[in-house]
Amino acid sequence: EVQLVESGGGLVQPGGSLRLSCAASGFSFVTYSMHWVRQAPGKGLEYISTISPNGGSTYYADSVKGRFTISRDNSKNTLYLQMGRLRAEDMAVYYCAREVQLEYNWFDPWGQGTLVTVSS
Amino acid sequence: DIQLTQSPSFLSTSVGDRVTITCRASQGISNYFAWYQQQPGKAPKLLIYAASTLQNGVPSRFSGSGSGTEFTLTISSLQPEDFATYYCQQLNSYPYTFGQGTKLEIK
Repeated sequence: EVQLVESGGGLVQPGGSLRLSCAASGFSFVTYSMHWVRQAPGKGLEYISTISPNGGSTYYADSVKGRFTISRDNSKNTLYLQMGRLRAEDMAVYYCAREVQLEYNWFDPWGQGTLVTVSS
Repeated sequence: DIQLTQSPSFLSTSVGDRVTITCRASQGISNYFAWYQQQPGKAPKLLIYAASTLQNGVPSRFSGSGSGTEFTLTISSLQPEDFATYYCQQLNSYPYTFGQGTKLEIK
């Protein structure tokens, strides 16, 4: 079964740091681009970051650029999101997702999400 | 960035109704487009990719159409399990933006 499982969420103070992990199983992790998407409480989906299969290319939304770092360890089938200088507006459920790319592309599957709470 | 304008934001409907949700892109994106369903407290689930291709296991009452800048998701006959929030997404260029969502509620 293709599966993504996030972990690492929790309560952090404004200005603090947190590292999220996304463990992949059931597919060849090394051949897929991976993404992080977040959802603030009661709000819609916000795409925030991408990493290429070999980790050589990354992309960040303006809202997190310079504060968040996406990375991956293909030997461990794990995706990471290092979050720093956290703000109240970063509070959200964070999802990882696999990008399937053939003639067109799409996100499938998604992990179950991990909640990050930013509060003093 | 490519903006997606999804409408309506909210729809009060009944079991058996036919529902159409629209998503308009700020520039042409060919068929680099997907629809997702999100149940409360759950992760999004892929419904349709490449604008009109139904994901394996998704009921045939769901269909997608469009290309370029105008896209639609149609549910031919709403079932109780379809009351959820639906999001469109463009995957033509970074950032892979989402529409603001359409919440279907039982009338």
